Amino acid sequence: GIQVEQSPPDLILQEGANSTLRCNFSDSVNNLQWFHQNPWGQLINLFYIPSGTKQNGRLSATTVATERYSLLYISSSQTTDSGVYFCAVPPQGNTPLVFGKGTRLSVIA
Amino acid sequence: DTAVSQTPKYLVTQMGNDKSIKCEQNLGHDTMYWYKQDSKKFLKIMFSYNNKELIINETVPNRFSPKSPDKAHLNLHINSLELGDSAVYFCASSQDSSGSGLFGQGTRLTVV
Repeated sequence: GIQVEQSPPDLILQEGANSTLRCNFSDSVNNLQWFHQNPWGQLINLFYIPSGTKQNGRLSATTVATERYSLLYISSSQTTDSGVYFCAVPPQGNTPLVFGKGTRLSVIA
Repeated sequence: DTAVSQTPKYLVTQMGNDKSIKCEQNLGHDTMYWYKQDSKKFLKIMFSYNNKELIINETVPNRFSPKSPDKAHLNLHINSLELGDSAVYFCASSQDSSGSGLFGQGTRLTVV
């Protein structure tokens, strides 16, 4: 089945720093999602991004579908950005999401 | 106005008991899912229902039985609970069957 790999597995940032999280996937997909799981366990949709670039405030994401990777950019990080960031893809058109193992981000003041 | 709601949020129970987790979505979505998140935070699909019909059933013990009385509800019943069932269970729904959609707040199940 499809493999979804995220890097780095862990990241510690000083508040105000910028970071880039990466998601590689092993097969063609027609969608990709980024999620943030906050320290309380809630999973929050960040982006649906099968291709191209999207921005939402301090976060932006870029997916290069032909090269099978996606990047999540966090600028001017804040302590509230801490948590685990997952990317997930549906292996085929109509199948549930396959998740990467996540990047655990800790932003310290 | 919660879009996907699960109850209960926390569940502590003894080994051997039978328990249910309920999920409801008010989005009019056709497809609902149950995912399991283990202690290492790994999220994996368990079941997928489309318009009350089971379409995906991953390798899950048959002690787990999903039930969908209508397309807005997908409940998860677990028989003879075991210590290894301790995890966070997430319900989700989507308009199509691609999994892209919204997740509930999760149910943390602890079996003692």
